[in-house]
Amino acid sequence: GENVEQHPSTLSVQEGDSAVIKCTYSDSASNYFPWYKQELGKGPQLIIDIRSNVGEKKDQRIAVTLNKTAKHFSLHITETQPEDSAVYFCAASIGGSQGNLIFGKGTKLSVKP
Amino acid sequence: EAGVAQSPRYKIIEKRQSVAFWCNPISGHATLYWYQQILGQGPKLLIQFQNNGVVDDSQLPKDRFSAERLKGVDSTLKIQPAKLEDSAVYLCASSYLAGGYNEQFFGPGTRLTVL
Repeated sequence: GENVEQHPSTLSVQEGDSAVIKCTYSDSASNYFPWYKQELGKGPQLIIDIRSNVGEKKDQRIAVTLNKTAKHFSLHITETQPEDSAVYFCAASIGGSQGNLIFGKGTKLSVKP
Repeated sequence: EAGVAQSPRYKIIEKRQSVAFWCNPISGHATLYWYQQILGQGPKLLIQFQNNGVVDDSQLPKDRFSAERLKGVDSTLKIQPAKLEDSAVYLCASSYLAGGYNEQFFGPGTRLTVL
């Protein structure tokens, strides 16, 4: 079946450094790729998303890139801050579905002050 | 704007007991999702409603799980009887558009522990 692989599972950076999280997907029909941030005891919150007709999208310190040929997409966080510490999930739409998503296993990001 | 509400926030039960979770989506959101999130993993879709109809329940263990969305607003998810492997956080999410890819807003979840 379809799956999304996410790496690394844990990531520790110093405040001010950049963080990169990578995901690969299997369904060639996937065309929507959101990223969610989940803080302890809370539900996931959308931080950025990208659709298959776009190769890159940026929102302040956060950027996402998509390579449809290679079936991978990445999240880039620059100038990390302690409040960026959380678990980040990538997801991909299941081809032909009405909004159904398959999630990666998550990356626990720790930003050390 | 109020977010997605879920209750209870925590529930502890013995195996073979039954349990029910409640979700109130954001007002006006046509689509409602229930996800299961096992510790250390990403959310897994259990069921998707569009208004009060089921769009996808292919991953719902129908021998023990059931869900309904009466009047296209609130929804309940029930487990009967519960197994140890049902221990997880159950997340409810909603989105505005009926179909298409659009932002899903998640509730805080209900943490279920089955002993």
